[in-house]
Amino acid sequence: NAGVTQTPKFQVLKTGQSMTLQCAQDMNHNSMYWYRQDPGMGLRLIYYSASEGTTDKGEVPNGYNVSRLNKREFSLRLESAAPSQTSVYFCASSMYNVGDPNEKLFFGSGTQLSVL
Amino acid sequence: LAKTTQPISMDSYEGQEVNITCSHNNIATNDYITWYQQFPSQGPRFIIQGYKTKVTNEVASLFIPADRKSSTLSLPRVSLSDTAVYYCLVGPALSGGYNKLIFGAGTRLAVHP
Repeated sequence: NAGVTQTPKFQVLKTGQSMTLQCAQDMNHNSMYWYRQDPGMGLRLIYYSASEGTTDKGEVPNGYNVSRLNKREFSLRLESAAPSQTSVYFCASSMYNVGDPNEKLFFGSGTQLSVL
Repeated sequence: LAKTTQPISMDSYEGQEVNITCSHNNIATNDYITWYQQFPSQGPRFIIQGYKTKVTNEVASLFIPADRKSSTLSLPRVSLSDTAVYYCLVGPALSGGYNKLIFGAGTRLAVHP
């Protein structure tokens, strides 16, 4: 099993450009998440999806949009990239429902994004 | 929100036992305590989860006192490969949506030869 796969691994954008970060999981998990991690800081939740067809805002959703394309895939879109969005982005999934006491997250290896 | 407080960093030597304590004074009745480990350039990895008393797996032990206002992750006989950032998470509250999914800054553990 590949687990959680993120593409691309690295990306450089100019301010104002748009791009979509892709995430796919092969564990048949219900819940999926997008986090960002800035240097020396913990992870901050951007958006999450409790099930196919549903998405909800997390802690820092401004400047981002998401799509839960199907049960496997959850994409994150930057419509007009800004330097403040330079970060490492992690996708995660969980077999349990969002907020379930037994929830355990499985993370991808991350996408390092630089916005110039 | 159930907030957590952990030491920013810790140092240890190979072969020693390392205990990382997390404070969560306002933990709710239904909250679980979960620890993750993160190596550089990787996503966090689940280590252990518990509700009360003691939980042990092949990687670590988790000690939770009766009042549940703190918890201690114990790593036995650490090696250089245990150098990582360790995150303590608490949640979810019954009324919370994503409370449990909030990561703090974590504890940066450095293991020395």
